[in-house]
Amino acid sequence: DQQVKQNSPSLSVQEGRISILNCDYTNSMFDYFLWYKKYPAEGPTFLISISSIKDKNEDGRFTVFLNKSAKHLSLHIVPSQPGDSAVYFCAASALQAAGNKLTFGGGTRVLVKP
Amino acid sequence: GAGVSQSPRYKVAKRGQDVALRCDPISGHVSLFWYQQALGQGPEFLTYFQNEAQLDKSGLPSDRFFAERPEGSVSTLKIQRTQQEDSAVYLCASSLNYRSYNEQFFGPGTRLTVL
Repeated sequence: DQQVKQNSPSLSVQEGRISILNCDYTNSMFDYFLWYKKYPAEGPTFLISISSIKDKNEDGRFTVFLNKSAKHLSLHIVPSQPGDSAVYFCAASALQAAGNKLTFGGGTRVLVKP
Repeated sequence: GAGVSQSPRYKVAKRGQDVALRCDPISGHVSLFWYQQALGQGPEFLTYFQNEAQLDKSGLPSDRFFAERPEGSVSTLKIQRTQQEDSAVYLCASSLNYRSYNEQFFGPGTRLTVL
């Protein structure tokens, strides 16, 4: 049973426009959410995170929105740049004694066209 | 180096061979995680270390998988009698501590191909 889902495997957007990536989760114990970006042959790199006590977190061009009642989060990238072309993973975690392991979605491949 | 490093970057093994994958976390990071990423999927948790203690190994797919971190720094993931379904990218991540949410820093991964 997939606890974190990214239903759009790919997204194509024009440079300068907004990219919106979506993520749904089922486990109500998750209380911290993260977005990672991954280029080919590299490990995922942290982008932005949000705690379940907030509904929005912004960092430069990146904003993450959390809707706890819908168990849904989204990542907005404005404006999109060609360098943003990568695979984006949504991840969730629950604070627990034995580490904060991450549960990942399947990823969304973003292509930003110049 | 400043980041997490992993070696080898690529490994080809014949079915039935044993392999050992190494992870060098960021110096001073208490927490260390191993993840397995199959082609076209997101990473999946394998095991977690807090210093040298393996506190969670719930994600290891079988008893052929074994991990250790004897001195609380470098970690090794060993796979015995490799099978074709073990082909994946194995990612190591470290974070500063375990008491609160910390960003996990990932290494570049080891791509294992089992023939």
